[in-house]
Amino acid sequence: NAGVMQNPRHLVRRRGQEARLRCSPMKGHSHVYWYRQLPEEGLKFMVYLQKENIIDESGMPKERFSAEFPKEGPSILRIQQVVRGDSAAYFCASSPTLGTSGTDTQYFGPGTRLTVL
Amino acid sequence: DQQVKQNSPSLSVQEGRISILNCDYTNSMFDYFLWYKKYPAEGPTFLISISSIKDKNEDGRFTVFLNKSAKHLSLHIVPSQPGDSAVYFCAARRRGGSEKLVFGKGTKLTVNP
Repeated sequence: NAGVMQNPRHLVRRRGQEARLRCSPMKGHSHVYWYRQLPEEGLKFMVYLQKENIIDESGMPKERFSAEFPKEGPSILRIQQVVRGDSAAYFCASSPTLGTSGTDTQYFGPGTRLTVL
Repeated sequence: DQQVKQNSPSLSVQEGRISILNCDYTNSMFDYFLWYKKYPAEGPTFLISISSIKDKNEDGRFTVFLNKSAKHLSLHIVPSQPGDSAVYFCAARRRGGSEKLVFGKGTKLTVNP
């Protein structure tokens, strides 16, 4: 049973370029979350998606960042016109369809390490 | 405004002894808490969780204790093993909110042989 897959594992971009990060959730999971970890910090929530729907994007910067989780294919986190401050580890997590308690565990992928030169 | 705090950046223990990692939170709306372990260059791995209706949850060598009145939880690892050396993150989820997790900054545990 494959876990959460993320690619690429490492991504290098120059300032002003676009970064696309991909996440394939665990089989049977329909909820995807994106988190960002800056050096020496904890993980910070960015966005929560279900298939074709953004449920909570309260942690997403207002500009340059977008996320989608299409009906078919992986979830994509897109960063336009990257700046040096975007350099971080970006983690994707997934969880199965929530029960009535809404307390299903989130399982994380290995992360994508973005470096902006 | 850091709602989940892990005040010890690091902890060192001897193999076979108990490791106790602490976590404090400020938001009384949090009702579900999780501990994750993270190795360098890997994603966080789920360890154990606890609902606010409980005060203890145990899974093998790992036990989590929750003190709601103090807004404090702790993770006990006994006996500690060198393979437990990693960064441990405490995370919390808010009742009635979306499913997003709020993380502490982590505690780096080193278990010495």
